[in-house]
Amino acid sequence: DSGVTQTPKHLITATGQRVTLRCSPRSGDLSVYWYQQSLDQGLQFLIQYYNGEERAKGNILERFSAQQFPDLHSELNLSSLELGDSALYFCASSVAAGYIQYFGAGTRLSVL
Amino acid sequence: GESVGLHLPTLSVQEGDNSIINCAYSNSASDYFIWYKQESGKGPQFIIDIRSNMDKRQGQRVTVLLNKTVKHLSLQIAATQPGDSAVYFCAENRENAGNMLTFGGGTRLMVKP
Repeated sequence: DSGVTQTPKHLITATGQRVTLRCSPRSGDLSVYWYQQSLDQGLQFLIQYYNGEERAKGNILERFSAQQFPDLHSELNLSSLELGDSALYFCASSVAAGYIQYFGAGTRLSVL
Repeated sequence: GESVGLHLPTLSVQEGDNSIINCAYSNSASDYFIWYKQESGKGPQFIIDIRSNMDKRQGQRVTVLLNKTVKHLSLQIAATQPGDSAVYFCAENRENAGNMLTFGGGTRLMVKP
């Protein structure tokens, strides 16, 4: 167990809908990262937060947004969902930027 | 473009043998490299990392070698066990790129009993 908790484990929704994925980092970790894993793209970095502030952005679509709350948990919001958004979404956390990232078990999103 | 890639998509080894998983990278500015193991239905699990100023690092049954001249990284697993069966990813981290990880495509390791 990495100590990173993601909910829900599975999510099934329809095109055009909006969903929220939740991540609780390991105790003491200030940095949270979101990654998308799909069959054709592999693991892709989406966005990073550090102590509530956005620090880095990867290939994150404009339809996607994230935030990190004062208690350090993070949420990834995906809107206007398309079939191609079906993927595994992972959250990782680290003590600070540049330290080892520990991954949660992921949320499997299926857009039908 | 910049990428981290793997030479072999699938590696099949006999239980007890040593395994070597390879990874090529293209960005010489990377600060450190990490190997992750991902079992079916789970998230990537940290195995070992190595800083760019090192050539070799050993852990429990695992060794990572870094050859900066040819931009090559390898993970050696000694006495491979059935529990080692998984997909292995190398990833690079650049501090000047927000410490995001850039992952390779992954190698599936299959251990035959």
